Amino acid sequence: NAGVMQNPRHLVRRRGQEARLRCSPMKGHSHVYWYRQLPEEGLKFMVYLQKENIIDESGMPKERFSAEFPKEGPSILRIQQVVRGDSAAYFCASSLKNPGQGDEKLFFGSGTQLSVL
Amino acid sequence: SQQGEEDPQALSIQEGENATMNCSYKTSINNLQWYRQNSGRGLVHLILIRSNEREKHSGRLRVTLDTSKKSSSLLITASRAADTASYFCATIKAAGNKLTFGGGTRVLVKP
Repeated sequence: NAGVMQNPRHLVRRRGQEARLRCSPMKGHSHVYWYRQLPEEGLKFMVYLQKENIIDESGMPKERFSAEFPKEGPSILRIQQVVRGDSAAYFCASSLKNPGQGDEKLFFGSGTQLSVL
Repeated sequence: SQQGEEDPQALSIQEGENATMNCSYKTSINNLQWYRQNSGRGLVHLILIRSNEREKHSGRLRVTLDTSKKSSSLLITASRAADTASYFCATIKAAGNKLTFGGGTRVLVKP
């Protein structure tokens, strides 16, 4: 039973290019979360999705960033026209249920390290 | 400001000693969770304590929760070099739907 799979592990982009980060949740999980982490800092919530729906995108910048979780296939975090400030580790997590509905914990992927040159 | 704030930011101890770290939060919560992150890796869930619980144990881990002070502590007993990692507390607000993480405590256990 594979865990949360993220790819690529490392992604290098030049300023102005697009970055697409993929996340396949654990088998049977329909709740996906994206977090961003800068060096020596905690994780900052970006977006929470459930199959085909964005539940909470309060942590995601309004411009250049978008996320989806289609009925089939992985969740995608898309960053258009990347800038140097977008360089960070992006982590995806999944859960079986909404974490607000009881003792639900998150399972994390190993992250994608995005470097913008 | 962060929902969860860990203290201290960094901790250096000798193998065999105990490591204690604290977490404070601001709003009412459903539960509080602790996660561990090894360098360059994703987070791994360690333990969850509900808002109506005061103490919980799991192996060498002991977690306490004081809802009146809005704080929690994580104790790792008889630490090992392999416990070297960053430890994060995370909370879900009452009626909330997402985990909010603190800035973490970086623990170094020297052999």
